Amino acid sequence: EDQVTQSPEALRLQEGESSSLNCSYTVSGLRGLFWYRQDPGKGPEFLFTLYSAGEEKEKERLKATLTKKESFLHITAPKPEDSATYLCAVQATGFQKLVFGTGTRLLVSP
Amino acid sequence: NAGVTQTPKFRILKIGQSMTLQCAQDMNHNYMYWYRQDPGMGLKLIYYSVGAGITDKGEVPNGYNVSRSTTEDFPLRLELAAPSQTSVYFCASSYGTRDLQETQYFGPGTRLLVL
Repeated sequence: EDQVTQSPEALRLQEGESSSLNCSYTVSGLRGLFWYRQDPGKGPEFLFTLYSAGEEKEKERLKATLTKKESFLHITAPKPEDSATYLCAVQATGFQKLVFGTGTRLLVSP
Repeated sequence: NAGVTQTPKFRILKIGQSMTLQCAQDMNHNYMYWYRQDPGMGLKLIYYSVGAGITDKGEVPNGYNVSRSTTEDFPLRLELAAPSQTSVYFCASSYGTRDLQETQYFGPGTRLLVL
């Protein structure tokens, strides 16, 4: 069964304090790994898609990387507006569905 | 483009009542999905559709029904509401083929409380 585990469940950072969120996955064959950001009371907002081990993508202070077993979302010099829940999801080869992790709640304090 | 829209934003139902959650997208996506999100749990797929007239069950379909008569609309029907259906419901859409699914775009959600 395809599974996604995210850690930590919650993370509190000071503004400017860089860190990483982890997404470990087991999947029969990885078609794509997706990162989303979710603000309270809103729907998930797409950030990145990674397709193969070694791939990296960046957007502002965020950088996503992928290995054969896990993905990291690196946050460099975060700001309070980066506070949100970050969701990871995988798509297995041959399936149209995504399997989501439970997310990491990030709080960045000024 | 409005993207994915959902109505209502919030609803309180009594046990045994029925309701339809509406979802529409204007991106001409062929795939549409319904998820529920409970506290501390990941998004769980309820039903999905790969095109008008075609629907399939996800992980947690019991107690729900769907139909897809047009590309744009994908309503979710609750026939006999139960407290276990208290949740936040998200609709999503994407472009997809048999072997590739592009990014899923989500609506703002419908918060449902069953008492």
